[in-house]
Amino acid sequence: KQEVTQIPAALSVPEGENLVLNCSFTDSAIYNLQWFRQDPGKGLTSLLLIQSSQREQTSGRLNASLDKSSGRSTLYIAASQPGDSATYLCAVRTNDYKLSFGAGTTVTVRA
Amino acid sequence: NAGVMQNPRHLVRRRGQEARLRCSPMKGHSHVYWYRQLPEEGLKFMVYLQKENIIDESGMPKERFSAEFPKEGPSILRIQQVVRGDSAAYFCASSPGSGDIGELFFGEGSRLTVL
Repeated sequence: KQEVTQIPAALSVPEGENLVLNCSFTDSAIYNLQWFRQDPGKGLTSLLLIQSSQREQTSGRLNASLDKSSGRSTLYIAASQPGDSATYLCAVRTNDYKLSFGAGTTVTVRA
Repeated sequence: NAGVMQNPRHLVRRRGQEARLRCSPMKGHSHVYWYRQLPEEGLKFMVYLQKENIIDESGMPKERFSAEFPKEGPSILRIQQVVRGDSAAYFCASSPGSGDIGELFFGEGSRLTVL
């Protein structure tokens, strides 16, 4: 059974600092890994998708890396802004069609 | 280009009543997934459906819960005789089709409160 862990559970940084969010998973047999953003009371917004054959993906200030062999992914957010405050979820798609989610990292960026 | 549409966004039910949650997938998507997010917990898979077929309902409680995705119309998640423990956010996601291992696109969720 795939277990996904996100550390830290919460993070507070001053505006302008870079954010580093960690995700680990127990079963390296994955199809892909997806990072989502969730605002309070809202749905999930897909940020980045990394296929199992890829090492990283970038979109604007966001960069996600994947080390499948060690079961780790890291989401980097450069030059954080107050609008980046949200919960960030990591989800792993295994050899079937299910996503296994971590519990999330709640980020607060202080102005 | 509408995304995944869920309704109602908020639903309040008393214990013992029925809750029906609806999900319309993105245009061109024929696969639907339901996930549940309990307070302070991560999202958990409930059921995976294709048109007129339940592919995997292993994450759905055996009693009181059912799901369908008819040939026409939205997917429906039905909870009979709701209890307080059913209070959660229910999210629907969709993907294009068989063999696709790309992104899942989620709706805004339906938040069920059981009094």
